[in-house]
Amino acid sequence: GAVVSQHPSWVICKSGTSVKIECRSLDFQATTMFWYRQFPKQSLMLMATSNEGSKATYEQGVEKDKFLINHASLTLSTLTVTSAHPEDSSFYICSASSFLNEQFFGPGTRLTVL
Amino acid sequence: TQLLEQSPQFLSIQEGENLTVYCNSSSVFSSLQWYRQEPGEGPVLLVTVVTGGEVKKLKRLTFQFGDARKDSSLHITAAQPGDTGLYLCAAPAETSGSRLTFGEGTQLTVNP
Repeated sequence: GAVVSQHPSWVICKSGTSVKIECRSLDFQATTMFWYRQFPKQSLMLMATSNEGSKATYEQGVEKDKFLINHASLTLSTLTVTSAHPEDSSFYICSASSFLNEQFFGPGTRLTVL
Repeated sequence: TQLLEQSPQFLSIQEGENLTVYCNSSSVFSSLQWYRQEPGEGPVLLVTVVTGGEVKKLKRLTFQFGDARKDSSLHITAAQPGDTGLYLCAAPAETSGSRLTFGEGTQLTVNP
């Protein structure tokens, strides 16, 4: 299956700082990538859909100024959590969509904001 | 609004037992996917079912897509501790084929 990587796998930061998470599709080109947030023992919550070369589409209730998404190439999308606060602590997962509309997920990034 | 209802939400069984997880909706889907997720990792695609009535087997896992393409089930035979994880069903959203709607998940624990 297709491989999607995320970096970093975990990050701890101070409140008020910004954190950037990278998502890469390693062996295929992904015109669409997705960013999810997940709380313990719960399902995935879609935050935004990222299309290469265009602005991301955010789900209702997700602050676009807080969660900045950039999809500059067919293999890379980034999520920047700006001015992070403890309530932003979560598991963030990206996925990349193939031409068959199957999604392949990254390993996730654990963000802890102190 | 599409909803995928999974049941049960939590399941704790002994090694060797059989189990079935259900994924139901009032909507018709063109396809449905099952994922397994282990703690601290991203979901891994197990199978995609496309045809109504389709049955797919993956070792001890049997996946079925309902005839009307509104529901699906995952049956595990002789469960093992390695099967422990969060099982998620997902289907393409009405508004966009590439977006997925996820079920709430079934947290399975298989005790040795």
